[in-house]
Amino acid sequence: GAVVSQHPSRVICKSGTSVKIECRSLDFQATTMFWYRQFPKKSLMLMATSNEGSKATYEQGVEKDKFLINHASLTLSTLTVTSAHPEDSSFYICSARALTGPPNTEAFFGQGTRLTVV
Amino acid sequence: DQQVKQNSPSLSVQEGRISILNCDYTNSMFDYFLWYKKYPAEGPTFLISISSIKDKNEDGRFTVFLNKSAKHLSLHIVPSQPGDSAVYFCAALGPSGAGSYQLTFGKGTKLSVIP
Repeated sequence: GAVVSQHPSRVICKSGTSVKIECRSLDFQATTMFWYRQFPKKSLMLMATSNEGSKATYEQGVEKDKFLINHASLTLSTLTVTSAHPEDSSFYICSARALTGPPNTEAFFGQGTRLTVV
Repeated sequence: DQQVKQNSPSLSVQEGRISILNCDYTNSMFDYFLWYKKYPAEGPTFLISISSIKDKNEDGRFTVFLNKSAKHLSLHIVPSQPGDSAVYFCAALGPSGAGSYQLTFGKGTKLSVIP
């Protein structure tokens, strides 16, 4: 099946530094990638939708200057958490969609990245 | 306003019995539904899906039922196995305001299968 690789799986960084998370679709072209954040005991919350070659669409309440998303190719999207603070510590997950629209639409997820800001 | 609701945060089932996980939604524009299984510290794994034009989809031990008039879907696992213990997310796919499709997730139900 389709594989989405997310890297790194875990990262610890100092407050004030920036962290980049990569999401790659390994065996298909992903025109759209999604970035989610999971808070403890809560559902995945969509942060932004990333379309190849265009600016990302951010959900309400997500700071676009803090969470920079780049989807430079059909197989790679990156999320950069800039000037990270302890409250940014969370589990970040990407997903990629190979086809647009139902009924043959499935989102394939990366393994997730556990970010800890100290 | 939560558009996809999983009202049971947890469920315990005896091994070999049936597990039924429920999901309700409010947005009539959703036209495709998916169930994901998630282990701790891992990304969700796709499990099974159903189009809104169907009312049942079966894959091995997993069956998803959709009642469109009630805006309700359920995931049945039979027989339940200890390895099924995980958090199950219901997700609905529909058009977003930005012109693309968007997945909306429920909060998840933690299933514990007791040996």
